Amino acid sequence: AQSVAQPEDQVNVAEGNPLTVKCTYSVSGNPYLFWYVQYPNRGLQFLLKYITGDNLVKGSYGFEAEFNKSQTSFHLKKPSALVSDSALYFCAVRDAYSGAGSYQLTFGKGTKLSVIP
Amino acid sequence: DVKVTQSSRYLVKRTGEKVFLECVQDMDHENMFWYRQDPGLGLRLIYFSYDVKMKEKGDIPEGYSVSREKKERFSLILESASTNQTSMYLCASSQTTKAKSPDTQYFGPGTRLTVL
Repeated sequence: AQSVAQPEDQVNVAEGNPLTVKCTYSVSGNPYLFWYVQYPNRGLQFLLKYITGDNLVKGSYGFEAEFNKSQTSFHLKKPSALVSDSALYFCAVRDAYSGAGSYQLTFGKGTKLSVIP
Repeated sequence: DVKVTQSSRYLVKRTGEKVFLECVQDMDHENMFWYRQDPGLGLRLIYFSYDVKMKEKGDIPEGYSVSREKKERFSLILESASTNQTSMYLCASSQTTKAKSPDTQYFGPGTRLTVL
């Protein structure tokens, strides 16, 4: 079974400060990990993913995420937050050893990020 | 750019009605998905399809069915709508890589369905 946890329902950060949105996961084998962002009344937009290789993944809009296998974490980060980053963020995971034809991603419950001017 | 479109942004239906939600993608993706999104519960997978006429149940298939007659189109059907199916419905698509691993899922804008 695969699962993902986003321990914070809401994160508040001042504009210009660094931001972190936390994600931890559980899989039987190796993980595929994703971050998505959702603006109000919109669908999810892909930010970045980790499949294999370098533990630091860079994505859209200046976001990056660090894969930490020992801590089973994949936290989303940005060096300097913008007010326009305020949105709902979702982490998702899939076990790399799921059978062919099984493409199900498991999503976290989401973290609401508010960047305060 | 990948484009996933959904037939309606907002929909209001009455209890017991049959409801069709349509999703179309223009990137020749093999895989298509239907999720519902509820506050505090995140996204939950209803059904997915990895080929034409193929379908697989997700986590919460009860009360729903799907149809995939063409590669680009994936329909979600509520046979008899109920108030507990009031939700945001999101469609997504992805391609299958050569390594048979899933690629990134791309989402449509969502349909907010209200069942009265």
